[in-house]
Amino acid sequence: GDSVTQMEGPVTLSEEAFLTINCTYTATGYPSLFWYVQYPGEGLQLLLKATKADDKGSNKGFEATYRKETTSFHLEKGSVQVSDSAVYFCALRMDQKLVFGQGTRLTINP
Amino acid sequence: GAVVSQHPSRVICKSGTSVKIECRSLDFQATTMFWYRQFPKQSLMLMATSNEGSKATYEQGVEKDKFLINHASLTLSTLTVTSAHPEDSSFYICSAKRPGQSSYEQYFGPGTRLTVT
Repeated sequence: GDSVTQMEGPVTLSEEAFLTINCTYTATGYPSLFWYVQYPGEGLQLLLKATKADDKGSNKGFEATYRKETTSFHLEKGSVQVSDSAVYFCALRMDQKLVFGQGTRLTINP
Repeated sequence: GAVVSQHPSRVICKSGTSVKIECRSLDFQATTMFWYRQFPKQSLMLMATSNEGSKATYEQGVEKDKFLINHASLTLSTLTVTSAHPEDSSFYICSAKRPGQSSYEQYFGPGTRLTVT
């Protein structure tokens, strides 16, 4: 079945460091891809999305590009802030259902 | 943005008892709500989709008699774990969708951690 694999956390970085969180997927068709973020004590929120190959989703300085050839949707940010500390989930949508990765906990130290 | 709340945030219950978790959409009417389950270091797994006023649709492998879902109003869905056992201990997350919204535009609750002793 469809699945999403994320790099295992936790990830700890210093402020202003470059961030990459890897995400790969397995799907029988051509899914839409998403990154969600969960801040402490809150529900998951949609961070960005890409609906077809080569699309780049971006929001709040985060970017991810839908790479069909490598079945990947890696999340990147050039300079992270303490406020980016959260759990990040990669997900795909097929047949109106969301399939999530296991989440990656990110901690940014000042 | 839209807010979805869950109550309680944490619950501990004894094996064999039942526990109810509430999911509320606070500022919008949610015709569709979803229930997910997350084990430590694992993905959120969709358990069931509930539409207001009708029976929930359960995912394959989810016991509908064990995980009772009721979506009696446009702002409230409940998940009841019946005759809970330690293996039911998990993090349960609900989400809600406005009418006409795409499935990825779900608003998620903060989750409920259930521990069965």
